[in-house]
Amino acid sequence: GAGVSQTPSNKVTEKGKYVELRCDPISGHTALYWYRQSLGQGPEFLIYFQGTGAADDSGLPNDRFFAVRPEGSVSTLKIQRTERGDSAVYLCASSLGGDGGNEQFFGPGTRLTVL
Amino acid sequence: GDSVTQMEGPVTLSEEAFLTINCTYTATGYPSLFWYVQYPGEGLQLLLKATKADDKGSNKGFEATYRKETTSFHLEKGSVQVSDSAVYFCALGNAGGTSYGKLTFGQGTILTVHP
Repeated sequence: GAGVSQTPSNKVTEKGKYVELRCDPISGHTALYWYRQSLGQGPEFLIYFQGTGAADDSGLPNDRFFAVRPEGSVSTLKIQRTERGDSAVYLCASSLGGDGGNEQFFGPGTRLTVL
Repeated sequence: GDSVTQMEGPVTLSEEAFLTINCTYTATGYPSLFWYVQYPGEGLQLLLKATKADDKGSNKGFEATYRKETTSFHLEKGSVQVSDSAVYFCALGNAGGTSYGKLTFGQGTILTVHP
């Protein structure tokens, strides 16, 4: 079956612009996670959805970052007034549930570059 | 909070050499432990996991044992191949409290295997 997909694969934007990053999880997976991976680092947690609701957004760095999952499937990560420090690979993952033992399946990521 | 520490890389080995990548963790409760791998040009994928103390995860010749007494989950392989060249991430998933199974990653270890 289809894995987790993310679009776009690459996004180049200018400082101060607004961007949206999309994630299509594996069908039937109720848990969805966003992570951010800077060069040479491991992924860092941003936000977790169980169904439509954001159960844990403690990893969002500030109020410029926001994510939604209105129908419990596709999710969009939104970044306002982008800054150069936002440049990173944004990863989406999904799993069957929010239990710590469930495997998370990762998408290929969106590489965001803020000029 | 939860944290994962991996041995610093990069690690360079000859084919058929023995591999160890050290991983230690700090966590509350009873986390699950994972090794993820990122091959060149590909997304993160699960290599192996262990969900409780003394469990051994194994896959593709790689093994790791969940050691609660030393809070470690070291990755080993008896004979590496060129195709094992990749970045390896140790991670923990903690369903305790409000963690909801989000993954906490180490910084990654780059492995290069030469023929």
